[in-house]
Amino acid sequence: EPEVTQTPSHQVTQMGQEVILRCVPISNHLYFYWYRQILGQKVEFLVSFYNNEISEKSEIFDDQFSVERPDGSNFTLKIRSTKLEDSAMYFCASMGQGWNEQFFGPGTRLTVL
Amino acid sequence: AQKITQTQPGMFVQEKEAVTLDCTYDTSDPSYGLFWYKQPSSGEMIFLIYQGSYDQQNATEGRYSLNFQKARKSANLVISASQLGDSAMYFCAMREGRGNQGGKLIFGQGTELSVKP
Repeated sequence: EPEVTQTPSHQVTQMGQEVILRCVPISNHLYFYWYRQILGQKVEFLVSFYNNEISEKSEIFDDQFSVERPDGSNFTLKIRSTKLEDSAMYFCASMGQGWNEQFFGPGTRLTVL
Repeated sequence: AQKITQTQPGMFVQEKEAVTLDCTYDTSDPSYGLFWYKQPSSGEMIFLIYQGSYDQQNATEGRYSLNFQKARKSANLVISASQLGDSAMYFCAMREGRGNQGGKLIFGQGTELSVKP
């Protein structure tokens, strides 16, 4: 069964460093997303990506964040200068044409020290 | 205003019994979708079931069914014959709109379900 994959599973970084979180969405899906979940809280939308451009972003997704789909399979989230409050689980998700399923990857746990 | 409300922070159910997890939503968009996800302690988000706003029948997937009451704006998840492995956090989510809109999901706060042997 096709699935969304994410690497790494856990990333530890120092405040101010850049991190890149990687995702491989399901191959025939067209819509891609990043969400985050601070420990013990609900899942929050960050950004959606369709047709090689951002279609929507939340207030959380400020200038420190960027997304790319560099090679038609990978989908990356970059945080340029991490802050302590960026510590969270980051989920990648993808959705097909039917809009009736949105599958999540296993997540990357980001810890900023 | 909250778009998705899950009023039960925690629930207990006896193994083999049915349980209903509540979810109410708020939208003025006539086209929307409602999703339920399971998040076990390992952290992954597992898609369970989907209900479209125009679907005439309540969605069912195995032991999961969605009690969709459009006029009341509720989309409760019913788990029949609970199993120990059903112990997890459950999130209700809504997607508004269709077409070239983003399709983002808005999540509720979640309900932690504990199944007792």
